[in-house]
Amino acid sequence: EVQLVESGGGVVRPGGSLRLSCAASGFTFDDYGMTWVRQAPGKGPEWVSGMNWNGGNIGYADSVKGRFTISRDNTKNSLHLQMNNLRVEDTALYYCARVVGTWGSRNWFDSWGQGTLVTVSS
Amino acid sequence: DVQMTQSPSSLSASVGDRVTITCRASQRIDGYLNWYQQKPGKAPNLLIYAASSLQSGVPSRFSGRGSGTDFTLTISGLQPEDFATYYCQQSYNTPRTFGQGTKVDIK
Repeated sequence: EVQLVESGGGVVRPGGSLRLSCAASGFTFDDYGMTWVRQAPGKGPEWVSGMNWNGGNIGYADSVKGRFTISRDNTKNSLHLQMNNLRVEDTALYYCARVVGTWGSRNWFDSWGQGTLVTVSS
Repeated sequence: DVQMTQSPSSLSASVGDRVTITCRASQRIDGYLNWYQQKPGKAPNLLIYAASSLQSGVPSRFSGRGSGTDFTLTISGLQPEDFATYYCQQSYNTPRTFGQGTKVDIK
């Protein structure tokens, strides 16, 4: 069974940093691209960042480009999101999801974690 | 960025009804369109990928069609567990973008 478990969320002041992690199990991690999607309270999902299996192809939403960095450790079956210079508008539930298909081409997000909450507030 | 617009934003329906949700892209996205269902407090759940392919484990009452800019999700025979919010999402290019959602509730 595919399992994705996010961690690392919390309360941080504007300008602060957090590092989110996603522990994957139940599948061959380095066979898949991975992605982060966030959802602000009462809003729809917003794609944040994604990468292919080896990090050779990475994408970011314009809203986080230059502030967030996605990475993965295939030896530890883990995905990460380093978030710097956080803003109030980054407050959301952050999900990691598995990508089926080729990153950069037709693909879809077939398994999701339960999310980790990031609150940016002064 | 490709803008995804869903209609309606919400609808009320009864068990057994046939429900159709529309998603329109701001540019051609071929068949690069996915549909997700989300229930309160839960992560989105993939229903349909590549416009018309049913995800494994999803009931056959869900179907998708469309290409280019216009897509539909149809639920044939609404069940109590189908009351939820539905989102379309394009994977034609980056950034991936979602529609604003369609909430299906009980009439």
